[in-house]
Amino acid sequence: GESVGLHLPTLSVQEGDNSIINCAYSNSASDYFIWYKQESGKGPQFIIDIRSNMDKRQGQRVTVLLNKTVKHLSLQIAATQPGDSAVYFCAEKDSNYQLIWGAGTKLIIKP
Amino acid sequence: ETGVTQSPTHLIKTRGQQVTLRCSSQSGHNTVSWYQQALGQGPQFIFQYYREEENGRGNFPPRFSGLQFPNYSSELNVNALELDDSALYLCASSLGLGQSTEAFFGQGTRLTVV
Repeated sequence: GESVGLHLPTLSVQEGDNSIINCAYSNSASDYFIWYKQESGKGPQFIIDIRSNMDKRQGQRVTVLLNKTVKHLSLQIAATQPGDSAVYFCAEKDSNYQLIWGAGTKLIIKP
Repeated sequence: ETGVTQSPTHLIKTRGQQVTLRCSSQSGHNTVSWYQQALGQGPQFIFQYYREEENGRGNFPPRFSGLQFPNYSSELNVNALELDDSALYLCASSLGLGQSTEAFFGQGTRLTVV
């Protein structure tokens, strides 16, 4: 069936370094993807999105890359800060505009 | 803050009981979606309401039901609670059903079934 999944459940990064969180999706027809950040005790927060007609999109300190050939999505966070500690989810919108989520990657920032 | 509020924030219920969770959508948003998030997992889509009508449902049994009111606030009702229903229940509101429409999430209701 259709699914969105993540390669690594936990990622530890030194403060100040760049973080890369990866995601694989299986539905080649998907054309809209979103990254969310979920801090402990809070609901998911939109970070950045990308449509399938793009391969890269940049925001403030974040970049999303999309490789449709291998159905891979990544989130890059530049100069990681303690406030970046959270669980990060990739999600896709299906043909009914409903979100299908991966399991999440926990990002830990080491001081 | 997203402007989406959920109540209560925490709840403990006994197996077999019924529960009602509430969501107040962001001002102007006419679409509400509900998700179940088990510990350590991603959210799972339960159903969506658009202008007071159900507009899509995930793989959840009929004992999960919902309602959207004229002011676009929403309720999630779960009957005959089971232990596996213990989870964080998230509500998200958005304006319309477009593919790139951003969804804003509440802080969730943590339901524990004992």
